Amino acid sequence: KNQVEQSPQSLIILEGKNCTLQCNYTVSPFSNLRWYKQDTGRGPVSLTIMTFSENTKSNGRYTATLDADTKQSSLHITASQLSDSASYICVVTDRGSTLGRLYFGRGTQLTVWP
Amino acid sequence: EADIYQTPRYLVIGTGKKITLECSQTMGHDKMYWYQQDPGMELHLIHYSYGVNSTEKGDLSSESTVSRIRTEHFPLTLESARPSHTSQYLCASSTRQGQETQYFGPGTRLLVL
Repeated sequence: KNQVEQSPQSLIILEGKNCTLQCNYTVSPFSNLRWYKQDTGRGPVSLTIMTFSENTKSNGRYTATLDADTKQSSLHITASQLSDSASYICVVTDRGSTLGRLYFGRGTQLTVWP
Repeated sequence: EADIYQTPRYLVIGTGKKITLECSQTMGHDKMYWYQQDPGMELHLIHYSYGVNSTEKGDLSSESTVSRIRTEHFPLTLESARPSHTSQYLCASSTRQGQETQYFGPGTRLLVL
């Protein structure tokens, strides 16, 4: 069964600190992996997208890594800001359908305190 | 910021009422989607469309229906709302080329009393 598991479920850090969010997946055949940021009451916004051959992708203070062999990804946030408080969702696309079937994790709820 | 809009943003309605959630995008995207999301849970696909006059049911069974008469418009209708329909509904769109990123609207929070 294709699944996406994220950890931790929630995380609280102080402003300025770094943190790393984890994503494990069993989706096969794999096409790509995206990290989305979802602010409270808003729709998800794409942060990064990685294909099978990519190991690392950065977007400002956000750096995503992918290990396609172990089917693991991480999202590292550097020098956190209050505006980073949001849910971070890992989304994996399979390669087996024309629709590009998306499998969503439940997200990690990050809270940044001043 | 993606040009995809949803109205209303919040809706509180009584059981048995008919409701339509609006979604429109100005990016000319062919593919559009409706997701349902409960607090702390993953998004579940309930409907999608490849283009005008194309609609398909998603993975999660839903009593709602959709229509795609115009490329930019993908409304979702509930003929008779029930408390079990209380949830957040997210609309998204993407291009038909390959497996492009989906752009999400702000969502509609529905509460059925």
